[in-house]
Parts: sequence; structure tokens; C-alpha cells
Amino acid sequence: AAGVIQSPRHLIKEKRETATLKCYPIPRHDTVYWYQQGPGQDPQFLISFYEKMQSDKGSIPDRFSAQQFSDYHSELNMSSLELGDSALYFCASSGFTDTQYFGPGTRLTVL
Amino acid sequence: ELKVEQNPLFLSMQEGKNYTIYCNYSTTSDRLYWYRQDPGKSLESLFVLLSNGAVKQEGRLMASLDTKARLSTLHITAAVHDLSATYFCAVVDANAGGTSYGKLTFGQGTILTVHP
Repeated sequence: AAGVIQSPRHLIKEKRETATLKCYPIPRHDTVYWYQQGPGQDPQFLISFYEKMQSDKGSIPDRFSAQQFSDYHSELNMSSLELGDSALYFCASSGFTDTQYFGPGTRLTVL
Repeated sequence: ELKVEQNPLFLSMQEGKNYTIYCNYSTTSDRLYWYRQDPGKSLESLFVLLSNGAVKQEGRLMASLDTKARLSTLHITAAVHDLSATYFCAVVDANAGGTSYGKLTFGQGTILTVHP
């Protein structure tokens, strides 16, 4: 069965640079969620989209923005990167069952 | 604010033994999930519990939900090494209205290590 696709899988950036993470949900899933997981931490909700509209916002810094496009893929844009932004970033998608299926994650390292 | 607490946070078990992981949450919820995560990997959905008294079983794992006590348990029977992983419970806040409904609040995770 098709799963959530995230790219890139690994990303290394310098402080103050920008990064763009992409997420391709499971086909026919209409909701996308972004989570951030620091080392040894539980995933923290960042933002979600339903039918291309932002549906909820969590602890997402103002330096981050996200959108969902007409083909339902989503992008998380991160600017002025800080060392503390180093984490695993997961995208999850859900459809009519509401169960969230997680992608493989993007490991971001900020040097 | 919804809070989710798991215990224990670390669990070292011998193969063949049984144990239970507990997940308490602070507000009304009608949807509780259990996920498994291997180091550096994604979160794999194990169980979805939707109503009071719900019980689900898959292999050596069994999950239950008591919405009145705001408690879910993940019971491990006759542990094997392959079960070594971090287990998270995650809760959807039933009081979150409209488009806020659906986001997951996770427990801290329980790191399970099964020894021969």
C-alpha cells in the first residue's frame, strides 16, 4: 500500500539558512499534519491542513511557514535556522478513518 | 491543556515475561492511539481505541481503554527481542472544536528493551 512520502530524508544546513521540507500524503487523504521530534523527545504538533486550508497551529515558530497545494502535497518552509531546529520532522496524513499515518521523516541537522 | 503521561518511561524486560505500559491523559478524549518507533525511524500505528472498554490485540500486544479513568494500557505478553522499541500513546482532545480536532498529543514514550 502507498505510504506517506517525505523528501529529503536528510538535510544539513548552516545557521541562518533556509530549508524546505516536502510531504506527499497517501492518495485520497485530505489532511496533513507536521510534527517535530527532538532527540529523545516525543513528537510535537506544528501545523495541519485540511483540504488545502490551514486547520490548526501548534508550537510552530514564526520563522516557519507551511502550505498545502492543489495536489495535496505540503511543504514546510523554515528560515533563519537555529541550532535548536535540529530534529526529525514528520509529516502524517489521514483520511476518513482519522488514523494518522506517518512518513519516514526528514532528519534536519543545523550546524 | 491536554497532558498525556506514560509510565514507566524505561522498561527492561526478560524474554518470556509479561508487563504493562500505562498511559494517563488529563481531559476528555474519544480517540487514543498507540504507536511504535524504532530508533531514528518513523512511527508505526499499532492500535486505535475509540470507545470506553475497547480492547484490541495484535500478536503479543494488547491495548485497552478506560475513558472514565482516562487511562489506556498496553500489555505485553511473553516478550521477545523484536518488541524492543519506543512505544508512544497519543490522544486526540475531544474538547478541541472544529478544525482543531485531530492533532495528536503524545506521551513521553516508553523505551522497551527485551533481553534474552
